[in-house]
Amino acid sequence: AQSVTQPDIHITVSEGASLELRCNYSYGATPYLFWYVQSPGQGLQLLLKYFSGDTLVQGIKGFEAEFKRSQSSFNLRKPSVHWSDAAEYFCAVPDSWGKLQFGAGTQVVVTP
Amino acid sequence: SAVISQKPSRDICQRGTSLTIQCQVDSQVTMMFWYRQQPGQSLTLIATANQGSEATYESGFVIDKFPISRPNLTFSTLTVSNMSPEDSSIYLCSVVAQNGYTFGSGTRLTVV
Repeated sequence: AQSVTQPDIHITVSEGASLELRCNYSYGATPYLFWYVQSPGQGLQLLLKYFSGDTLVQGIKGFEAEFKRSQSSFNLRKPSVHWSDAAEYFCAVPDSWGKLQFGAGTQVVVTP
Repeated sequence: SAVISQKPSRDICQRGTSLTIQCQVDSQVTMMFWYRQQPGQSLTLIATANQGSEATYESGFVIDKFPISRPNLTFSTLTVSNMSPEDSSIYLCSVVAQNGYTFGSGTRLTVV
């Protein structure tokens, strides 16, 4: 069965520093991959998605992610974080029935 | 992409009562999903709402507790029945649209 792993439950980063959030998936074929962000008290917002083609995907809010088939990874990056990037980040993969499976999430705290 | 209107946005309910959550989509969609997000947790799929047939429930979720209606391709309801404090969560609906999965803004339910 498909699964998604986010190894880091919590990450603290200084404002202006770079950020990388890890996501590993288990899937038989080339998956569709998604990153969502959930700010405190807010709903889910799609940051970016990978369907096919270029393995480096640009998203909103200055985020990007790279699909690496050899590592079964889809890590999210941002070169310079802002205080407003403090949120919960979820990686997700749909299963063969189209049902979206979520990772456990990574809580990002941004310090001054 | 599809836009979802979900309501109520939040509610505080007495134990033993029921709450019905509604999701209205601005376009016709085939697949609609209902998720639960318990405090500090990731999203867990409750069921897939099918138009014209019974919903398909995930392991650990039953129709008597979470009855779902899907009368047409733009609307669905989830009822949380006979509530207990353990049902305090955020409930979200989601649809598959042209460019991926869209989520409602969520219903924050507190059971007292």
